[in-house]
Amino acid sequence: KQEVTQIPAALSVPEGENLVLNCSFTDSAIYNLQWFRQDPGKGLTSLLLIQSSQREQTSGRLNASLDKSSGRSTLYIAASQPGDSATYLCAARGAHQAGTALIFGKGTTLSVSS
Amino acid sequence: KAGVTQTPRYLIKTRGQQVTLSCSPISGHRSVSWYQQTPGQGLQFLFEYFSETQRNKGNFPGRFSGRQFSNSRSEMNVSTLELGDSALYLCASSQGQGVGSYEQYFGPGTRLTVT
Repeated sequence: KQEVTQIPAALSVPEGENLVLNCSFTDSAIYNLQWFRQDPGKGLTSLLLIQSSQREQTSGRLNASLDKSSGRSTLYIAASQPGDSATYLCAARGAHQAGTALIFGKGTTLSVSS
Repeated sequence: KAGVTQTPRYLIKTRGQQVTLSCSPISGHRSVSWYQQTPGQGLQFLFEYFSETQRNKGNFPGRFSGRQFSNSRSEMNVSTLELGDSALYLCASSQGQGVGSYEQYFGPGTRLTVT
């Protein structure tokens, strides 16, 4: 059974720092991995999706990497800003399942101070 | 293109009642998935509908059910509400078929409070 873990659960950094959020998964047979952002009380915003055949994806100041063999993904945020404060969730879709069901980690809550 | 919409945004119900939540996916998307989010359990998959058929189901009791209409809109029903059903219910849509088409887009959620 796939399990997704995110460490740390919370992170506080000063504005301008580069930071890395970690996501690990127990079953390497994944179809894709998706990173989301969630603001308090709101829905999820998709940040990046990495297919199983890809090693990384980039969007602006965000870069996500995927290493299936080690069961890890990282989300790199460059030059952090107070507006980046939110909870970041990673989710994996299994390779041998029907449909689009995602298994989520519990998230890393990021606080960026000005 | 309009995003995923969910109605209502907030609900307060009493134990034992039933509730129906609605989700309208992004135009052209045929897959709708439902998730429950609680502080203790995080985000958990409930079920997915694709072309009006349930394609996958999570580990929730039969009190949780859903359906999808021909226009891809979906409803989720919870019968005999329990206090533990208080949660944020999120709906996600995707194309649902074909290579690279499983990226999911989430709605704002329905906050259900059971008293």
